Amino acid sequence: EAAVTQSPRNKVAVTGGKVTLSCNQTNNHNNMYWYRQDTGHGLRLIHYSYGAGSTEKGDIPDGYKASRPSQENFSLILELATPSQTSVYFCASGVLGGRYEQYFGPGTRLTVL
Amino acid sequence: GEQVEQRPPHLSVREGDSAVITCTYTDPNSYYFFWYKQEPGASLQLLMKVFSSTEINEGQGFTVLLNKKDKRLSLNLTAAHPGDSAAYFCAAANTGKLTFGHGTILRVHP
Repeated sequence: EAAVTQSPRNKVAVTGGKVTLSCNQTNNHNNMYWYRQDTGHGLRLIHYSYGAGSTEKGDIPDGYKASRPSQENFSLILELATPSQTSVYFCASGVLGGRYEQYFGPGTRLTVL
Repeated sequence: GEQVEQRPPHLSVREGDSAVITCTYTDPNSYYFFWYKQEPGASLQLLMKVFSSTEINEGQGFTVLLNKKDKRLSLNLTAAHPGDSAAYFCAAANTGKLTFGHGTILRVHP
């Protein structure tokens, strides 16, 4: 049974529109992460969270906000989507104080027209 | 911050040959390292984690080596088969975050 799920799996948005990507994990992990994956860049960290109510900026946070309302859920919000945000987005969960391995969701393919 | 360089970006080998992917990192404070496998259109699957100098996973047919002195990490597939065709990513853990290499696309052909 999948422990990290993402919705939607595919999304087409218009420039200037608001997009919310959702992630749910049943691993009972404290840490959750949002990455984007682009050809030639690998995975880049956008935002992460150490637990409910906390969000931290990753390496490329500009244009993105995050929300962690509960242990299980972590959302990525694009308030004003731009074509440069077309990408595949992955959510991951990991254990606080563990050896930092992360477990990934299936990904969301976002296209901004 | 940490930077991870992964080589080569593309690798093509014949079935039964070995394949080696190497990563170098910059931050000596990175202490846990991981290899992920990503098949086309799929998510990242944790393949191996390494904390000490050498980890061997013979069941899956690969060896992971870590040289902390040289800040180098390698993944060696000893006898590649077509099912190994995928993208492979190394990652270094530092202060609770992972820094990924840019990936290697491995193709194993008959």
